[in-house]
Amino acid sequence: DVKVTQSSRYLVKRTGEKVFLECVQDMDHENMFWYRQDPGLGLRLIYFSYDVKMKEKGDIPEGYSVSREKKERFSLILESASTNQTSMYLCASRPQWEGLTGELFFGEGSRLTVL
Amino acid sequence: AQKITQTQPGMFVQEKEAVTLDCTYDTSDPSYGLFWYKQPSSGEMIFLIYQGSYDQQNATEGRYSLNFQKARKSANLVISASQLGDSAMYFCAISRGFKTIFGAGTRLFVKA
Repeated sequence: DVKVTQSSRYLVKRTGEKVFLECVQDMDHENMFWYRQDPGLGLRLIYFSYDVKMKEKGDIPEGYSVSREKKERFSLILESASTNQTSMYLCASRPQWEGLTGELFFGEGSRLTVL
Repeated sequence: AQKITQTQPGMFVQEKEAVTLDCTYDTSDPSYGLFWYKQPSSGEMIFLIYQGSYDQQNATEGRYSLNFQKARKSANLVISASQLGDSAMYFCAISRGFKTIFGAGTRLFVKA
């Protein structure tokens, strides 16, 4: 069974803290993505990576950075957490060979609360 | 830029009846993919069905079918014979290149 695992289901952090959200996939997928999900807004793309050490900004990258040192792992970093980053964060992956229109495989999400 | 619009924030359907969830999209790309995902209360997004922009036939997957009207830029999801387990959030999405853009979602409630 394909698997995308996010390290934490629930996190509570304080304003100004540095936050790491980890995502690991065991499917040897080239493409990985970070989305945030907010009620009424759906999922918005923060960053994506099409290969190791490669990253591209999505639609809402401000306040976030990412790291992809290994193919299976894609980390989302909040350098200085703010209350408006309280959200559900979803990691997803996709194999390159499925072309440009393949389905995404999602993790279970990480619900972050910033106090 | 691509955009997805889901105009129904919430919908109710009686168990065993069919329901249509609306989705319209905006894109200038000639080639794209359209997807529907389901998100139960557990939070995990589950892929349901895919339609390519050049596909002539409407996609079907079991009880799910996609009513694709390219000229109207709509890709409605039809769920036949609704079950209680179909109660969830449903997201329409469009993909072109590396990006997949999602709509705001429709919450479906199935009544016994």
